[in-house]
Amino acid sequence: GAGVSQSPSNKVTEKGKDVELRCDPISGHTALYWYRQSLGQGLEFLIYFQGNSAPDKSGLPSDRFSAERTGGSVSTLTIQRTQQEDSAVYLCASSVPGGIEQFFGPGTRLTVL
Amino acid sequence: KNQVEQSPQSLIILEGKNCTLQCNYTVSPFSNLRWYKQDTGRGPVSLTIMTFSENTKSNGRYTATLDADTKQSSLHITASQLSDSASYICVVFRTGGGNKLTFGTGTQLKVEL
Repeated sequence: GAGVSQSPSNKVTEKGKDVELRCDPISGHTALYWYRQSLGQGLEFLIYFQGNSAPDKSGLPSDRFSAERTGGSVSTLTIQRTQQEDSAVYLCASSVPGGIEQFFGPGTRLTVL
Repeated sequence: KNQVEQSPQSLIILEGKNCTLQCNYTVSPFSNLRWYKQDTGRGPVSLTIMTFSENTKSNGRYTATLDADTKQSSLHITASQLSDSASYICVVFRTGGGNKLTFGTGTQLKVEL
């Protein structure tokens, strides 16, 4: 596609519910990143996928967070039993193999009531 | 600890005026530094990328400088326009690629008539 796309653009959920956020990277980009941007905070790295290698999950804040990337393309970030502190914008980015330029999607704004 | 600090936190200027945003970092070993522009509700978009050997780079009305010795960078915006209103984020990459990057919290710029 023309750029990284994410869905939904906005998600409002109740505390304790599970949510799934989707990222469609640019075609041919084997590297995919998830970040979280809380209000007034810098971007926080969550997880990184590179091709068929094991993902780097070192940024996931708790075991309620998980992500998968099927077929080396689309990725889904799942947050289980959401908490109010999970409210943030979740950004996805992709890059070509070995590339340093990351292209960001528009993000998903998650609000946990 | 790898950190990126930006100043000012926020800035309001009149249309047509110039401004300079600052970024200090302690990230090591250094690979490259980039400035991103993030419009409200959008993902970050890369403005400039500078490696260790580059000390200035321009992109239209945006000029970034880098002093790798003092670990400081600046982003100068010339003849500001209303569309420059956004958050400007400094990001430093460590060598090794992948997820080895550190984000600043950004400077929120507002350009007014």
